[in-house]
Amino acid sequence: EVQLVESGGGLVKPGGSLRLSCAASGFTFSSYSMNWVRQAPGKGLEWVSSISSSSSYIYYADSVKGRFTISRDNAKNSLYLQMNSLRAEDTAVYYCARGPLIAVAGTLDYWGQGTLVTVSS
Amino acid sequence: SYVLTQPPSVSVAPGQTARITCGGNNIGSKSVHWYQQKPGQAPVLVVYDDSDRPSGIPERFSGSNSGNTATLTISRVEAGDEADYYCQVWDSSSDHQAVFGGGTKLTVL
Repeated sequence: EVQLVESGGGLVKPGGSLRLSCAASGFTFSSYSMNWVRQAPGKGLEWVSSISSSSSYIYYADSVKGRFTISRDNAKNSLYLQMNSLRAEDTAVYYCARGPLIAVAGTLDYWGQGTLVTVSS
Repeated sequence: SYVLTQPPSVSVAPGQTARITCGGNNIGSKSVHWYQQKPGQAPVLVVYDDSDRPSGIPERFSGSNSGNTATLTISRVEAGDEADYYCQVWDSSSDHQAVFGGGTKLTVL
């Protein structure tokens, strides 16, 4: 069974940093691209970032480019999102989602339950 | 950047057919994926690559995509189908990015 479990969310002050983690199990993690998607309270889904299976291709939404860094450790079956210079508008539930096999572009077929990030003074 | 447009809400009586549209420039040339999200839960993939269903998704869920509009069709709607539905594509035209529609709230009357 595919499982994705996010952690690392919490309350942080504007300008602060936070590192999210996503622990994957039930599939060959190193073969799949991975994604972060967020959802602000009461709002729709917003794609944040994608990383290919071997980390060769990395993409970011314009809203986080230069502030967030996606990475993965295939030996640990883990995905990360380093978030710096956080703003109030980054407040959201952050979901980890599995992408396609090998390629980055495509569907997000499994999602974690999400971790809440609140940016507030 | 690429924009996907969905109606904010769709209402349908139980047993009827719900159609949720997703508009985008020449969206027929892209693969469209649909997600269902119930309150307090993570999204669930219900249709991928325009019209394919993941295992475990009822046949009542189907999709189509042509021209400038993709459509998610839910036949014989049940109370349990009430949820938010999002369409999604991958845009490789400029910056590579996943794009979500704004979401449609399906209300079962």
